[in-house]
Amino acid sequence: RKEVEQDPGPFNVPEGATVAFNCTYSNSASQSFFWYRQDCRKEPKLLMSVYSSGNEDGRFTAQLNRASQYISLLIRDSKLSDSATYLCVVLSGGSYIPTFGRGTSLIVHP
Amino acid sequence: NAGVTQTPKFQVLKTGQSMTLQCAQDMNHNSMYWYRQDPGMGLRLIYYSASEGTTDKGEVPNGYNVSRLNKREFSLRLESAAPSQTSVYFCASSEEIYVEQYFGPGTRLTVT
Repeated sequence: RKEVEQDPGPFNVPEGATVAFNCTYSNSASQSFFWYRQDCRKEPKLLMSVYSSGNEDGRFTAQLNRASQYISLLIRDSKLSDSATYLCVVLSGGSYIPTFGRGTSLIVHP
Repeated sequence: NAGVTQTPKFQVLKTGQSMTLQCAQDMNHNSMYWYRQDPGMGLRLIYYSASEGTTDKGEVPNGYNVSRLNKREFSLRLESAAPSQTSVYFCASSEEIYVEQYFGPGTRLTVT
């Protein structure tokens, strides 16, 4: 089983839709979690950190479920500009090597 | 404030040639990283430097060497390039280990 798994998609949604992605991780000692956004042929850019209590930034909400070992990203009121690949990143206790998921592709159409 | 910069942006090498990829950050971050990204593989850590004066292997270090020249700069060297090293290379930095990282624009390397 891969350490960090994401559904590659693509998720094809209309503007204004709400879409959610999950990312599962296998190491129960994982302690830091992040969502990044990557546009085609560009560098990953930090979208948000994921805290135990969950966090929200405008239209984006991130949640952590330690019992089921997954993190989620919810995007409300999707915009065309949200089209990108969304990467989850997990850092595990005792290791300084971050594990990246392979990404979920989102396409928002008019 | 340029963030993380990388040079060159593109490079084509022949098998066996050597080269150094340069990375610099102006955010006064302690930690720096080198990744490679291949289609379908996601980002994989090659080497990292938790703080100035230290370097450690990541997930895929074979065929690479690194130098943390000072707090700002972290270079990646390919001593004898191989076609399997064709990839996009990203440098990143973070204030400390375990916190969010900021990436440079990448170097697209092709080895023929």
